Amino acid sequence: DIVMTQSPDSLAVSLGERATINCKSSQSVLYSSNNKNYLAWYQQKPGQPPKLLIYWASTRESGVPDRFSGSGSGTDFTLTISSLQAEDVAVYYCQQYYSTPQFTFGPGTKVDIK
Amino acid sequence: QVQLVESGGGVVQPGGSLRLSCAASGFTFSSYGMHWVRQAPGKGLEWVAFIRYDGSNKYYADSVKGRFTISRDNSKNTLYLQMNSLRAEDTAVYYCAKGKYSGYDNPTDYWGQGTLVTVSS
Repeated sequence: DIVMTQSPDSLAVSLGERATINCKSSQSVLYSSNNKNYLAWYQQKPGQPPKLLIYWASTRESGVPDRFSGSGSGTDFTLTISSLQAEDVAVYYCQQYYSTPQFTFGPGTKVDIK
Repeated sequence: QVQLVESGGGVVQPGGSLRLSCAASGFTFSSYGMHWVRQAPGKGLEWVAFIRYDGSNKYYADSVKGRFTISRDNSKNTLYLQMNSLRAEDTAVYYCAKGKYSGYDNPTDYWGQGTLVTVSS
């Protein structure tokens, strides 16, 4: 099974500053036949279900602000919030959907305001 | 708009059973794979089970294999999770989630609000 890890466990960023979250998979999630990375990012605010932000590692879901971006390939990925807003306080999870039907989530990264 | 509404959660004794339901609306339910994902109190997300759009294939996390059964009734736009032999470690909020595309190798784009299952004596 693919194991997902995230770093850091938590971070505090000043409003308007950049937040960077890393995600690493124990094996590549890049499917060579279509050159797509089977990696998604979700945001979960307190008391709410998760919300899809990014899929195929870098495709922003409809309606997601463009301050959210995803990058990386193979085993190493990054979610960047370019200018942190108060409403971005949440836990962020990466998920691989390459090794289906085992859909593995990372442990989560908590983002707070400094 | 897409809506997923879970029900059926509650308190159950260890070894007991429970059936969760997820009523779907706002999209063509019979065209999409569906998932159950759970979250223990204060913990992260754990994928539980997936069923293809037509119910032909079902997949489970190792932690629930042999105890939980996912099913769907496309005529009623409803997803189910039958949970047997429940353990304390099954205590969690259970979410149903819709696959973004019709296949299984894709992310989930809509989630319900979840239903809490507590396994305790």
